[in-house]
Amino acid sequence: NAGVTQTPKFRVLKTGQSMTLLCAQDMNHEYMYWYRQDPGMGLRLIHYSVGEGTTAKGEVPDGYNVSRLKKQNFLLGLESAAPSQTSVYFCASTKGAWRNNEQFFGPGTRLTVL
Amino acid sequence: DQQVKQNSPSLSVQEGRISILNCDYTNSMFDYFLWYKKYPAEGPTFLISISSIKDKNEDGRFTVFLNKSAKHLSLHIVPSQPGDSAVYFCAASATGNQFYFGTGTSLTVIP
Repeated sequence: NAGVTQTPKFRVLKTGQSMTLLCAQDMNHEYMYWYRQDPGMGLRLIHYSVGEGTTAKGEVPDGYNVSRLKKQNFLLGLESAAPSQTSVYFCASTKGAWRNNEQFFGPGTRLTVL
Repeated sequence: DQQVKQNSPSLSVQEGRISILNCDYTNSMFDYFLWYKKYPAEGPTFLISISSIKDKNEDGRFTVFLNKSAKHLSLHIVPSQPGDSAVYFCAASATGNQFYFGTGTSLTVIP
């Protein structure tokens, strides 16, 4: 049981480049989430998914797109990276709705946009 | 605007003593609270939760206290152990909504 895994672990982009972060979970969880963590701030929710084929906006969705084509995978895309998107990105999943369900987090992806 | 605040970025405690981590929130609709622990290069892991119908929840060495009137919660670790050294995040949510996280407190337990 790998839990929640994230690919890649580190990435450096130039402004304007695009990339996709992959999150995978092997716990058959319905809900998946993408967060970003910045210095001096708590984790902030970017987008989330309540099931295969569904996505919804979180607190800070601008500049990101997501897809949940398979239940076990949740992809976060940056179409045109900006320095403000330099952050550590965490993926998480829960068995059901976020309340009363423990969120399992991946190890994070450290992204630097130059 | 930070709805959940952890005003102490860091805390150092001697092994065996009590660690008290504090968290304040501004949204009176929050009714469910969590604490997470995070080691370097790892994702946060769930530690303990509390619902607003309670004012205390205990799990082994970890106890969370909730003071709704003060919009304040605290995590007590007794006794503190070196393995408890980590960053601790509190998080809060209102029914049916996302969790909002605090900025974290880095706890160092000195052997």
